[in-house]
Amino acid sequence: GESVGLHLPTLSVQEGDNSIINCAYSNSASDYFIWYKQESGKGPQFIIDIRSNMDKRQGQRVTVLLNKTVKHLSLQIAATQPGDSAVYFCAENTGTASKLTFGTGTRLQVTL
Amino acid sequence: DAGVIQSPRHEVTEMGQEVTLRCKPISGHNSLFWYRQTMMRGLELLIYFNNNVPIDDSGMPEDRFSAKMPNASFSTLKIQPSEPRDSAVYFCASSLSPSGNQPQHFGDGTRLSIL
Repeated sequence: GESVGLHLPTLSVQEGDNSIINCAYSNSASDYFIWYKQESGKGPQFIIDIRSNMDKRQGQRVTVLLNKTVKHLSLQIAATQPGDSAVYFCAENTGTASKLTFGTGTRLQVTL
Repeated sequence: DAGVIQSPRHEVTEMGQEVTLRCKPISGHNSLFWYRQTMMRGLELLIYFNNNVPIDDSGMPEDRFSAKMPNASFSTLKIQPSEPRDSAVYFCASSLSPSGNQPQHFGDGTRLSIL
């Protein structure tokens, strides 16, 4: 029979435009959040993290925004490049242990 | 700097056979994690170790799965006997601290196919 897998939402962005990937997290006690990028055939790669005492953190071409009121996390990528094409995961941690809970992921497609 | 190293990168074997996956964490990291990734279930935590001690194995599917960490630089995940439904990509990750406020760094995984 036909197998049903996770349906990854897909974001299609033109090269040079900015990308915004969103994530809703589940646990209001979570106090540490990470964004990962996973390219085909590779493991998840750490991009940027943020602690719950912050609402914004910037890296190189990336910005993470945290809204604890609505339990929402976003990743902004400036001037998106073809090399940014990948699946992006958010992950949350409640701080009392090392366990991360991962979201289902968003596929980013960069068009030329 | 060397990242997390996993071997083999690919494994194809027949059901019933024993499978051993290997992981070398980043030097100095004291937490190690084993994950499984499938299209159906996404990324699932199987087990994790702090300072070589298993802390939480609640994600291990069943008794056919076992994991060991004999020292700070090596861990194995064993499946015996293997079944077709074990086919997946298995990732190992390590982090600097068990406190939960450090990112986990992943290897490139072992793609396992059980025929």
